[in-house]
Formats: sequence, C-alpha cells, structure tokens
Amino acid sequence: DGGITQSPKYLFRKEGQNVTLSCEQNLNHDAMYWYRQDPGQGLRLIYYSQIVNDFQKGDIAEGYSVSREKKESFPLTVTSAQKNPTAFYLCASKRGIGNTGELFFGEGSRLTVL
Amino acid sequence: AQSVAQPEDQVNVAEGNPLTVKCTYSVSGNPYLFWYVQYPNRGLQFLLKYITGDNLVKGSYGFEAEFNKSQTSFHLKKPSALVSDSALYFCAVRDMGYGGATNKLIFGTGTLLAVQP
Repeated sequence: DGGITQSPKYLFRKEGQNVTLSCEQNLNHDAMYWYRQDPGQGLRLIYYSQIVNDFQKGDIAEGYSVSREKKESFPLTVTSAQKNPTAFYLCASKRGIGNTGELFFGEGSRLTVL
Repeated sequence: AQSVAQPEDQVNVAEGNPLTVKCTYSVSGNPYLFWYVQYPNRGLQFLLKYITGDNLVKGSYGFEAEFNKSQTSFHLKKPSALVSDSALYFCAVRDMGYGGATNKLIFGTGTLLAVQP
C-alpha cells in the first residue's frame, strides 16, 4: 500500500532542543516537500527537494535543515534557532512528470514546544 | 507576485444544498490550479486540478471546479452537500518562475466548510 509516512505524529520539545521529523515515501516520487501549517495562515513551504542529494530553501527555511540521502526519505530538523517552532508539519511528494502533478501528503506531525 | 486568495474563512451550508468555496488567483501566464481537502489533524487530500482544456473540472467525492480566466477564479462546487463534506479546503496555484511553472505550490489560507444536518 503506497503512501507517505510521517513520524512521530505528536512531539513535545523543550526550548533549545533540536528535533527531527521523519518522512518516508514508497511512491517512487522524485520530488519531496516540507510545509508548515499555522492556523489562519495556510501552508508555507520550508524546504523542497527535486532529486536525491539536492534541496532548495522555501519561503521560511530559517531555523530548519533537511537532507535527501535516499529517494524515499526527506527528514526535517527543527533547530533551536527556529523562534516559533510550535506548528503542524506536513510532508508531501509530487506525482507525475513536469509541473502538472499533484502533491501527495502525509498525515502530519504536530510539534509543541514547552 | 504570484498569489491565491480564499476570501471566505468559513462557509456554512445546509445538507442537501449546493455549495461553493471561492478561490481567486494571480499568476503570470497560464495557471495550474489545485483543490485539496483537510480533515482535522490529518494531511491534505487532493480533490482536483485544472491544467488545460475544459473549464469545468470534475474531481473526487462529487466535487467539481470551474476555471474562469476572465475573472481569475477557480471556485469549488458541489450540487448537494453532505455533513461529511465538513472540512478545511485549500486552493493552490503552481508558482511561476522566470522559466515557467516551477515545482512549488502556493496555497491559500483555507476555507472551513461547515455543513449542517
């Protein structure tokens, strides 16, 4: 059963700690994305990767880091430099060639900083 | 700058009535437009998209959307609403870079659809 798996679903962190969110897909998609969702602000792009070993900053990359060592995996690290990390984080991958494909989303990870 | 707007934070409709969730966009060139739905504490699910061709696009769960180039709109519609349609709906447009469509989507702020029984 193909899809995108995000873990953990809920995560609590103390201020000053780094935390890594996992995203794994078995859809054989080349492009993967990380979005942040805050109430009333929609989705904002953090980082994206179009191919293994390559990634680009999105609109709100400060305080975050990513890696793309395998096609299936695109983990996101929320560092202590992120000023307001409490949010719902969504990972997605893109279906289809070119720029017409839709995104497939995981179920999200909710991070709360205590 | 490319953008997409959802002018209504919430839409209320009675079950069995038609529903419309509005979306307008601003991009250079021909737009690639998408609708997604999100249930509480879940990821987004793809509903439908417009790339080219027929202005009326049909999608999942009985939803459809009409592309209107002159009004730069892509409103989501359904002839008869169900209580189970209650969710958060997002409109999105493909970001247009200097070389054309990129691999990035720009999302609206979302519209909460509440269907009353």
